[in-house]
Amino acid sequence: DGGITQSPKYLFRKEGQNVTLSCEQNLNHDAMYWYRQDPGQGLRLIYYSQIVNDFQKGDIAEGYSVSREKKESFPLTVTSAQKNPTAFYLCASSVDNYNEQFFGPGTRLTVL
Amino acid sequence: QKEVEQDPGPLSVPEGAIVSLNCTYSNSAFQYFMWYRQYSRKGPELLMYTYSSGNKEDGRFTAQVDKSSKYISLFIRDSQPSDSATYLCAMYRGGGKLIFGQGTELSVKP
Repeated sequence: DGGITQSPKYLFRKEGQNVTLSCEQNLNHDAMYWYRQDPGQGLRLIYYSQIVNDFQKGDIAEGYSVSREKKESFPLTVTSAQKNPTAFYLCASSVDNYNEQFFGPGTRLTVL
Repeated sequence: QKEVEQDPGPLSVPEGAIVSLNCTYSNSAFQYFMWYRQYSRKGPELLMYTYSSGNKEDGRFTAQVDKSSKYISLFIRDSQPSDSATYLCAMYRGGGKLIFGQGTELSVKP
């Protein structure tokens, strides 16, 4: 089955720790995206990548980092510099910039 | 002022009702308008994708775009309990980046 997988589904982190969220797609899409969703705020773009080995900051990139070493993988690291990391994180991919974005099931991160 | 405004609801309707969900936007350069449906604790899924002003119909769903008023709507006819979800409008701005509304939480009561 083609699709996007995110792991883990739930993640708990202590303050001051870095944590990496996994996103994998087998849709052969070039573009991949990371969003953050908070209650009542819709989705906000953290980082996006249009091609392997290239990525750009979105609207709220501070405290986050990404890599795109393989076409199918786009991991997101939430660093200790992120002031309020508790949120629902969604990964998406698309054929290219202006086509439909397909979303993964999300990772809920809670900082204890 | 937010670039995209969407009434967060929640909106509660009886089964069979017609539902109207709306978004306004401020930038006339926005194009490619979309509606996503998101069930609780799941990723969003695309419902409708339109480009030009006018109506697009798909089963019980109709998407309407009025570029002159910077206003988009999603209508759901004969609403069902399975339609209970959060509905997000989205549109592309420059650089291929999607911008989302806040989402409207809909509950359809049997």
